[in-house]
Amino acid sequence: NAGVTQTPKFRILKIGQSMTLQCTQDMNHNYMYWYRQDPGMGLKLIYYSVGAGITDKGEVPNGYNVSRSTTEDFPLRLELAAPSQTSVYFCASSSLWGAEAFFGQGTRLTVV
Amino acid sequence: AQSVSQHNHHVILSEAASLELGCNYSYGGTVNLFWYVQYPGQHLQLLLKYFSGDPLVKGIKGFEAEFIKSKFSFNLRKPSVQWSDTAEYFCASRSGGGADGLTFGKGTHLIIQP
Repeated sequence: NAGVTQTPKFRILKIGQSMTLQCTQDMNHNYMYWYRQDPGMGLKLIYYSVGAGITDKGEVPNGYNVSRSTTEDFPLRLELAAPSQTSVYFCASSSLWGAEAFFGQGTRLTVV
Repeated sequence: AQSVSQHNHHVILSEAASLELGCNYSYGGTVNLFWYVQYPGQHLQLLLKYFSGDPLVKGIKGFEAEFIKSKFSFNLRKPSVQWSDTAEYFCASRSGGGADGLTFGKGTHLIIQP
């Protein structure tokens, strides 16, 4: 099993540009999450989803949007990139009754 | 809101030394607790988890953690560390049955000197 797959692994954006970070999982997990990791700050939850068609804001949602049209995919959209969004982004998933989260490899995003 | 505190941001040890990383959580109800490890350049991997039952939890690579409810603590231990244990360690909590993701501590950067 591939688990949780994120693309791209690295990206440099200019201020004001937009992009979509892709995330897909093949474990049939209902719960999916997007986190950002900043140095010395741990991981902060951006958005999460409890199933297809259902999304909700996490701790730091400003500047981001998500959608969940299928169980497998949970893309994260940055509409107007800002330097404050320079970070490493992790997608994760967990099963309905389990609480362990499985993480993707991460996307390192730099906004200049 | 839940919060997780990790006591040490940077720890340097010699090989074969014993390790204990502190973690305290704030949630007073039923809680699930986790320790994740992030090796340089890699994603987070689960070391161990506590849901219920025996408060002493054993994980991979010789790690263990003890859940002490009265102290709201879930400290990570390893009797003898190796150079390959150099990594970032994150403690995380989740309210039992909750869907809103894990709350992470800020992490502890562990360096093992050969």
